[in-house]
Amino acid sequence: DTAVSQTPKYLVTQMGNDKSIKCEQNLGHDTMYWYKQDSKKFLKIMFSYNNKELIINETVPNRFSPKSPDKAHLNLHINSLELGDSAVYFCASSPRINPSDPGRDFGQGTRLTVV
Amino acid sequence: AQSVAQPEDQVNVAEGNPLTVKCTYSVSGNPYLFWYVQYPNRGLQFLLKYITGDNLVKGSYGFEAEFNKSQTSFHLKKPSALVSDSALYFCAVRDLSGGYNKLIFGAGTRLAVHP
Repeated sequence: DTAVSQTPKYLVTQMGNDKSIKCEQNLGHDTMYWYKQDSKKFLKIMFSYNNKELIINETVPNRFSPKSPDKAHLNLHINSLELGDSAVYFCASSPRINPSDPGRDFGQGTRLTVV
Repeated sequence: AQSVAQPEDQVNVAEGNPLTVKCTYSVSGNPYLFWYVQYPNRGLQFLLKYITGDNLVKGSYGFEAEFNKSQTSFHLKKPSALVSDSALYFCAVRDLSGGYNKLIFGAGTRLAVHP
């Protein structure tokens, strides 16, 4: 069973489009995250939700909007896609009550290519 | 602010030789340190973590890491490298700012193991 699953795995789209990436975890974790890995492989947190509540919102353009319908899901919607949004987006989760596991479980990543 | 640094972009080692991937950290308080591996076109995989206790931490795939408080380092090691260990390795530190967990990653080190 996949613990943290993301769909789609690959996404190629044109500039200006709106797209969504979905993430689901079956670990019963309270906290979920979105991380972005840029073309230089640098990883940085974007958002975090705890029990459907936004708790971390790093400096991210407001074209990016996370949505958490329930604590097992955290989707990422991106409006008006730009070339610079091309990256690999990783979803992760952690049990909120265990501070030693801040995102131990990661999804496989979604490679977004904007053309 | 918490941070980690990986001073080497790439490490080359011959198969069968010991390997070391370096990481230094800067934190306020006690550090929670992590190593992740990313194989080509794959997601992030957790290798090991240091929270407290023994300075030598053992992890997956025969890797271990040594926590050195005086040198503020957390180097990843393996006694005998395999070609299949070739991958991108990330050091990370837990950041609790705002009262919520997140990971701060280093820039990554590409390990190339040659036959």
